[in-house]
Amino acid sequence: ETGVTQSPTHLIKTRGQQVTLRCSSQSGHNTVSWYQQALGQGPQFIFQYYREEENGRGNFPPRFSGLQFPNYSSELNVNALELDDSALYLCASSLGRGGTEAFFGQGTRLTVV
Amino acid sequence: GESVGLHLPTLSVQEGDNSIINCAYSNSASDYFIWYKQESGKGPQFIIDIRSNMDKRQGQRVTVLLNKTVKHLSLQIAATQPGDSAVYFCAEDSVSGGYNKLIFGAGTRLAVHP
Repeated sequence: ETGVTQSPTHLIKTRGQQVTLRCSSQSGHNTVSWYQQALGQGPQFIFQYYREEENGRGNFPPRFSGLQFPNYSSELNVNALELDDSALYLCASSLGRGGTEAFFGQGTRLTVV
Repeated sequence: GESVGLHLPTLSVQEGDNSIINCAYSNSASDYFIWYKQESGKGPQFIIDIRSNMDKRQGQRVTVLLNKTVKHLSLQIAATQPGDSAVYFCAEDSVSGGYNKLIFGAGTRLAVHP
């Protein structure tokens, strides 16, 4: 078990709604990255937060946004949900911006209907 | 473009056999690679990593080999057990625009039969 926890574990939303997913990073880790994993595929990088600032972003629209708090926990917000947003959302924490071990939480399974 | 791919989508082995999972990467500048194991309904679990200044690294029952000449990674699991059944991903730590991100392949499903 890693020290990375995500909540909720499962969520069902209606198309057009907004959702907030939460992540608590492993103790001592100051970087949180979010990934989207569609069924049967590998995780895709959404964005990364380092010391409360967005440090990098993948090919996701602006309706995907995030925050990192002083205790390094993080939120992922998705507005105007679409059916294709249905996926497992993973949070990974690491020490520093990269090149080191990244540990994942168990994920939040989001279903958009 | 950037990609990390796997040669075999599914690998079936007998319990006790050795397993080899392969992975190709495209960015020759990448210098850090990680293997993850993902069981159904769970997040990816760190197995082992390797940096580009090494060509082999061993852990408990697992070995990762890196061939930079052909941009190839492999994960070897010795004496495969039923608990090893999962999807395995290799991930490339890619540096771009001043930040690092992990680029994953689609994964290889390992099925261990008694």
